[in-house]
Amino acid sequence: KQEVTQIPAALSVPEGENLVLNCSFTDSAIYNLQWFRQDPGKGLTSLLLIQSSQREQTSGRLNASLDKSSGRSTLYIAASQPGDSATYLCAATQGGSEKLVFGKGTKLTVNP
Amino acid sequence: DTAVSQTPKYLVTQMGNDKSIKCEQNLGHDTMYWYKQDSKKFLKIMFSYNNKELIINETVPNRFSPKSPDKAHLNLHINSLELGDSAVYFCASSPGTFSYEQYFGPGTRLTVT
Repeated sequence: KQEVTQIPAALSVPEGENLVLNCSFTDSAIYNLQWFRQDPGKGLTSLLLIQSSQREQTSGRLNASLDKSSGRSTLYIAASQPGDSATYLCAATQGGSEKLVFGKGTKLTVNP
Repeated sequence: DTAVSQTPKYLVTQMGNDKSIKCEQNLGHDTMYWYKQDSKKFLKIMFSYNNKELIINETVPNRFSPKSPDKAHLNLHINSLELGDSAVYFCASSPGTFSYEQYFGPGTRLTVT
């Protein structure tokens, strides 16, 4: 059974700082891992999808890495901005299934 | 143009009532999902349909019944609502099963009083 853990639960940084959000998963037989952003009272916005055969994906200031052997993924945000403040969710597929298992998220606050 | 839409956005109802939440996607995707986000913000899958066929059915009370009239729609009907059903329900879609990105709707906040 897949379990996804995100640490820390909350993070507060000053504007302009580079930061890393961590995600770990227990079942390495994943099809893919996806990072989402959730703003208060809103739905989820997909940020990056990493297939199991890939090591990383980049979109703008975001870079996500995947290390299946250690069961870890990181989301790197460069030059953070107040608009990046949101909850970031990591989700990994459960082995043999496309079912996404979510972590509890990291609430990021970027202070001006 | 809204990719995945849900109605209603808010739903307040009393215990014991029956209610439905509707979901529509205009992305041409084959697979649709229902997720529940509880009061602790923990998101869990409930159901998944691929080409109108049920492919994932998590351990959900049978008071919850999904219905997919066509590939673009996946509705969720809930019978005999209970206080514990209060949550935000999200619909999502993806091009197919397995290695595809999932796109989420804005959510329906259900409050049972």
